[in-house]
Amino acid sequence: EAGVAQSPRYKIIEKRQSVAFWCNPISGHATLYWYQQILGQGPKLLIQFQNNGVVDDSQLPKDRFSAERLKGVDSTLKIQPAKLEDSAVYLCASSRVGDTQYFGPGTRLTVL
Amino acid sequence: GQQLNQSPQSMFIQEGEDVSMNCTSSSIFNTWLWYKQEPGEGPVLLIALYKAGELTSNGRLTAQFGITRKDSFLNISASIPSDVGIYFCAGSYSGGGADGLTFGKGTHLIIQP
Repeated sequence: EAGVAQSPRYKIIEKRQSVAFWCNPISGHATLYWYQQILGQGPKLLIQFQNNGVVDDSQLPKDRFSAERLKGVDSTLKIQPAKLEDSAVYLCASSRVGDTQYFGPGTRLTVL
Repeated sequence: GQQLNQSPQSMFIQEGEDVSMNCTSSSIFNTWLWYKQEPGEGPVLLIALYKAGELTSNGRLTAQFGITRKDSFLNISASIPSDVGIYFCAGSYSGGGADGLTFGKGTHLIIQP
């Protein structure tokens, strides 16, 4: 069974630029999560989808971050405009409904 | 957002030693999980605990769900070089661990030759 796929693996941008990350969950997993992991800390949930609906986006900075999962499979997380403090690893995870989460390898974002 | 209190922050041990780390919270969780993360990878699930007082093993790893539901510990016996990495505890308010997880800051395990 293929794992959670994410791209790109690395991205370097300048502040005030825009960036987008893509995630393809494990086949059959209805629930998808985006986490932000700042260096030296544990992951922090940004948004949770079930199919194409948002379950929890209470910690998503909505003035600059947006996410969508239009067909209930792939998802895109966007930052516009990026700030220096957005430098982090962005992790995508997926799960069957009510089951444990499996993480992708992450996208490492550096904002200069 | 809330983060769990995980200790120690780092451990320097010799190969063959046993390791113990723990996690505490001010909130009650219904599920506790332990993950391991290696450089350039996402966290990998090691053990999931679903019931207060539960003691679960996975090979050389043993974890327990505290009876107050506010803490958990992870033990690794007879450490080997491939145990090197960062270990995270995570709590979930849902019974299956399917809602957004709250993570600790991690315990960095380093094995000295």
